[in-house]
Amino acid sequence: AQSVTQLGSHVSVSEGALVLLRCNYSSSVPPYLFWYVQYPNQGLQLLLKYTSAATLVKGINGFEAEFKKSETSFHLTKPSAHMSDAAEYFCATSGGGSNYKLTFGKGTLLTVNP
Amino acid sequence: DAGITQSPRHKVTETGTPVTLRCHQTENHRYMYWYRQDPGHGLRLIHYSYGVKDTDKGEVSDGYSVSRSKTEDFLLTLESATSSQTSVYFCAISHSTGTREAFFGQGTRLTVV
Repeated sequence: AQSVTQLGSHVSVSEGALVLLRCNYSSSVPPYLFWYVQYPNQGLQLLLKYTSAATLVKGINGFEAEFKKSETSFHLTKPSAHMSDAAEYFCATSGGGSNYKLTFGKGTLLTVNP
Repeated sequence: DAGITQSPRHKVTETGTPVTLRCHQTENHRYMYWYRQDPGHGLRLIHYSYGVKDTDKGEVSDGYSVSRSKTEDFLLTLESATSSQTSVYFCAISHSTGTREAFFGQGTRLTVV
């Protein structure tokens, strides 16, 4: 069964610093991978998705993620953090083939310090 | 935002009572899901549906049942609410083709006292 592991339940960065949120996946077939963001008291919003078309995926709000099959990773990055990036971020996978269920990691809370 | 409406948005109920949460979509997506979100656990799948009257269990289905009699509506029922079911519940929808991303509703905050 597919799964994702997010390393670090809480990441704190300074405004203007690099943001790096880690996600590793486990899948027996080529996966579909996603990053979602959740702002306080809101639902989840799709940041970006990997669908095998390109290994470097660009998303909204300046975020991007790189799919590395050799490392089974799909880390999320942003060159310069902004205060408005403070939120919880979730990595998710739907495995592949006939499996459409989304499985989520436990989330990483990003804090941005002024 | 995708056309997903959850109702109610907030509910307080007593232990032992049945509770039904509703998810309504206007996107005609085939797949619908119910997740619960708890601190430290991320989102966990309760039940999902891959068509009208076609449903299956997720990883935390005990104490929950679902029904889907129309494409647009997916109901989650807590048969006899317990305090451990206090949570935020999210409905999601996705296509059966394409890139499979899910779109989420705004959530229902349920408190069982």
